[in-house]
Amino acid sequence: DAGVIQSPRHEVTEMGQEVTLRCKPISGHDYLFWYRQTMMRGLELLIYFNNNVPIDDSGMPEDRFSAKMPNASFSTLKIQPSEPRDSAVYFCASSLAGDYNEQFFGPGTRLTVL
Amino acid sequence: DAKTTQPPSMDCAEGRAANLPCNHSTISGNEYVYWYRQIHSQGPQYIIHGLKNNETNEMASLIITEDRKSSTLILPHATLRDTAVYYCIVMEYGNKLVFGAGTILRVKS
Repeated sequence: DAGVIQSPRHEVTEMGQEVTLRCKPISGHDYLFWYRQTMMRGLELLIYFNNNVPIDDSGMPEDRFSAKMPNASFSTLKIQPSEPRDSAVYFCASSLAGDYNEQFFGPGTRLTVL
Repeated sequence: DAKTTQPPSMDCAEGRAANLPCNHSTISGNEYVYWYRQIHSQGPQYIIHGLKNNETNEMASLIITEDRKSSTLILPHATLRDTAVYYCIVMEYGNKLVFGAGTILRVKS
């Protein structure tokens, strides 16, 4: 298996622009997680899905952030409008229902908002 | 979920065993001990987890004390590629992973 795939790997955008991050989980995994990592705040869970349904979005910082999972093999995290403080590395992870906490992480998307 | 205490950093010689400690004195009976690591510029990687008994897999061994108030992750033969931040996480099954500051392990030749 190719593992969790994220795109793009790097994104540079200007403040106010819409940013869309993409994730393809490992085939057969039931859970999908979105995390954000910064030097100041460390690694934070933003939202997670079970069988394509959002379960807990309490970590989503603001209404500017939204996430969708239209099918079992694809998820997006959108920021609209983006701000410089959104600059971070965003990770997607997936896991099986029986091994919920054995999460497989993708390589991350490094987002820079100018 | 119980809090954990880890040393901020440790050094280990290449080829030697790396022993990473974690204190979790307030752990409850149904909380597991999980270990993840994050190599520079990569996503975190699951290593191992346990409840009461010692566990071993192809990556590492996890030793949990009888009172479960502390544990040690052992990398039997550390290599330069094991240089990473190691996170000890104590939580109930199904709860969210919360990553603390972890231990920076530097493996030196």
